[in-house]
Amino acid sequence: EPEVTQTPSHQVTQMGQEVILRCVPISNHLYFYWYRQILGQKVEFLVSFYNNEISEKSEIFDDQFSVERPDGSNFTLKIRSTKLEDSAMYFCVSIAGKNTEAFFGQGTRLTVV
Amino acid sequence: AQTVTQSQPEMSVQEAETVTLSCTYDTSESNYYLFWYKQPPSRQMILVIRQEAYKQQNATENRFSVNFQKAAKSFSLKISDSQLGDTAMYFCAFMTRNAGGTSYGKLTFGQGTILTVHP
Repeated sequence: EPEVTQTPSHQVTQMGQEVILRCVPISNHLYFYWYRQILGQKVEFLVSFYNNEISEKSEIFDDQFSVERPDGSNFTLKIRSTKLEDSAMYFCVSIAGKNTEAFFGQGTRLTVV
Repeated sequence: AQTVTQSQPEMSVQEAETVTLSCTYDTSESNYYLFWYKQPPSRQMILVIRQEAYKQQNATENRFSVNFQKAAKSFSLKISDSQLGDTAMYFCAFMTRNAGGTSYGKLTFGQGTILTVHP
């Protein structure tokens, strides 16, 4: 069964450092998303990406965040200067487009110290 | 904008019994999907069941079924014959089907309900 792969599974970083979270979506999918879940809280939409550009972003997705799909396969989320409150689980999701079944990656747990 | 509300922060049930988790939502769209996701302690998101808004028939997946009331904007999950492995956080989620719109496929989640199944 096809799956979305996220790396790393867990990352610890110092406050102020840059981090890049990586995702390999399912190969024929067209729509890509990042979501964030602070421990014990609900899952929040960050950004959606289609046709090599951002289609929608939330208020959380400020100038510290960026996404790209540089080689047509990997889909990355970069946080330029991490803050303590960026500590969360980050999920990558991809959708084929013909139907709206969302495939979740297993998540990356980011801990900012 | 869509909102999803789960009014039960925590629920508990005895093994083999039935439990119902509540979810209400608000939207101006007529074409959308609704989902229930299970999140065990591993924090992976596992799809439990989904409902297409244009279908009147309630979705069923083995021990899991929904009660979808479109006019009331209500989407509850019933778990029959509860098992210890059902212990998890459950999220209700709304997905727009506005094809071609910027929000296509975007999920909006409720706050979650922690379900504990007791032996």
